[in-house]
Amino acid sequence: EPEVTQTPSHQVTQMGQEVILRCVPISNHLYFYWYRQILGQKVEFLVSFYNNEISEKSEIFDDQFSVERPDGSNFTLKIRSTKLEDSAMYFCASSESPDTQYFGPGTRLTVL
Amino acid sequence: EDKVVQSPLSLVVHEGDTVTLNCSYEVTNFRSLLWYKQEKKAPTFLFMLTSSGIEKKSGRLSSILDKKELFSILNITATQTGDSAVYLCAVKMGNTGKLIFGQGTTLQVKP
Repeated sequence: EPEVTQTPSHQVTQMGQEVILRCVPISNHLYFYWYRQILGQKVEFLVSFYNNEISEKSEIFDDQFSVERPDGSNFTLKIRSTKLEDSAMYFCASSESPDTQYFGPGTRLTVL
Repeated sequence: EDKVVQSPLSLVVHEGDTVTLNCSYEVTNFRSLLWYKQEKKAPTFLFMLTSSGIEKKSGRLSSILDKKELFSILNITATQTGDSAVYLCAVKMGNTGKLIFGQGTTLQVKP
């Protein structure tokens, strides 16, 4: 069964460093999303992406964040200058239509 | 403010019991309601509900949506230890697919 994959599974970085989280969505899907889950808190929407552009973003998704689909398969989330409060599990999701979303296994980001 | 509230927050039952998990919502531009099961990491999809009163079933799990009273329930019958997980309710809004999640219900099924 096709699935969303994410790399790395765990990323440790120093405050102020740039990180890129990578996702490979399910191949025929057209809608892509990033969510995050701070330990012990709700899953929060960050951004949705369709037709090579951002379709919606949350207040969390400020100028420090960017997304890109650099080729036909990858979907990336970049955090330019990480802060301690960016430590969280980051989930990528994809869907064929803006309906059922399938989530990847997540990348645990730890900012020291 | 858009919100999704789940109850109870946690539940401990014994194998064979039946459980009912609740999800209420107040959102603008409702499109659908989704249930996910989260074990170690990724939420795995269970159900998507768009119409009131139509029950969706998958094995021992079933779910229904009430769009008038703005809630959904997830039932699990004859629970097993493998059902132990966090169950997440999420509401999809508008055309972009943004999901608003509840805080989850942690279910522990004891042997």
